[in-house]
Amino acid sequence: EDQVTQSPEALRLQEGESSSLNCSYTVSGLRGLFWYRQDPGKGPEFLFTLYSAGEEKEKERLKATLTKKESFLHITAPKPEDSATYLCAVQARGRSNYQLIWGAGTKLIIKP
Amino acid sequence: NAGVTQTPKFQVLKTGQSMTLQCAQDMNHEYMSWYRQDPGMGLRLIHYSVGAGITDQGEVPNGYNVSRSTTEDFPLRLLSAAPSQTSVYFCASRLPGRNTGELFFGEGSRLTVL
Repeated sequence: EDQVTQSPEALRLQEGESSSLNCSYTVSGLRGLFWYRQDPGKGPEFLFTLYSAGEEKEKERLKATLTKKESFLHITAPKPEDSATYLCAVQARGRSNYQLIWGAGTKLIIKP
Repeated sequence: NAGVTQTPKFQVLKTGQSMTLQCAQDMNHEYMSWYRQDPGMGLRLIHYSVGAGITDQGEVPNGYNVSRSTTEDFPLRLLSAAPSQTSVYFCASRLPGRNTGELFFGEGSRLTVL
């Protein structure tokens, strides 16, 4: 069964303390993996698309990486404004391109 | 551009009532979709549309209807509300030519069914 699991469920860091969020996936074949940021009371905001193992994307303090089994969202020297829930989603072969499989998210809290 | 606009932002219904969640976008996006978000679960696709006059079912379509008469609007109708439909509903559209996983979301409609 196609599945996407994000860990940890919640992560509390001090400002400036770097860490990583994990998105592991079990699918028959990966078409694409997507990272989103969601602020409280708002809709998700698209961050990155990754297509193949070894690929990396960066945006400010965020870097997303991809292996054959998981993706990491690395956060370097985070600031309080990076606090949000981070979602990942997978587009799998054998499914419609419109049917993404979403993880439940990691809630990131950055304390000043 | 206003982006993707959802109304209402909050709604309380009684079991058995019907209502329509509105979604409008002013970006001329062909693809539009409805998701629901429940605590501890990933987003789930309800219905989607690839253009005016074309709709299709997603992962959890039961109890919901959609239509797409114009490119701009994609309303979601709850036929007979049930407590299991208590959720936050998001409308999303896709940029033309971009991967279908790269979505632009509205701010959501929080629905409570008593």
